[in-house]
Amino acid sequence: GAVVSQHPSWVICKSGTSVKIECRSLDFQATTMFWYRQFPKQSLMLMATSNEGSKATYEQGVEKDKFLINHASLTLSTLTVTSAHPEDSSFYICSARLRGGSYEQYFGPGTRLTVT
Amino acid sequence: QKEVEQDPGPLSVPEGAIVSLNCTYSNSAFQYFMWYRQYSRKGPELLMYTYSSGNKEDGRFTAQVDKSSKYISLFIRDSQPSDSATYLCAMSATGNNRLAFGKGNQVVVIP
Repeated sequence: GAVVSQHPSWVICKSGTSVKIECRSLDFQATTMFWYRQFPKQSLMLMATSNEGSKATYEQGVEKDKFLINHASLTLSTLTVTSAHPEDSSFYICSARLRGGSYEQYFGPGTRLTVT
Repeated sequence: QKEVEQDPGPLSVPEGAIVSLNCTYSNSAFQYFMWYRQYSRKGPELLMYTYSSGNKEDGRFTAQVDKSSKYISLFIRDSQPSDSATYLCAMSATGNNRLAFGKGNQVVVIP
């Protein structure tokens, strides 16, 4: 149980284009989903928290106009990297919390974004 | 002082040995403690989840929480090469969505 999927797992795009990453909770409803970024050999950096039907809450220093988050349903959140640049190349990971108050997060397998 | 401190290692052990990992923290409001395993180029996988102080065992894994010392541990018995990964501790306070992570500890189990 508590499986989270991400799509795509790997994407290459050209500088200036936009990329959408999907995060789905497959076997549970998630009122809260999270988006992280991870650089090589570093820990996870929280980018934003999204609640179903509400606007996302972004961490300090994360540009909300660049990283658009939509939490359209209890099982789907999307992250769109707009006007991507090479410095946006990174490993993006989503996670979800079970509906009902427990605090553990279940992570997706991650999406590796390379901007050329 | 960082909220969560974790020695990044790497830690190399022979197959069959006990792996001992730990994290210390500074925020006394933390009540929920997690250990995640992350293989290279993959998302973290939840291994153990504990609430408040005490021990929890699941197969070869044992998690311990000592809130009085602000110290948590993960033990892996009979370690296998497949246990080679980065282990992240994480914790949260009641009413707070965010997880505070340690830096991660790279473990290598040598056959």
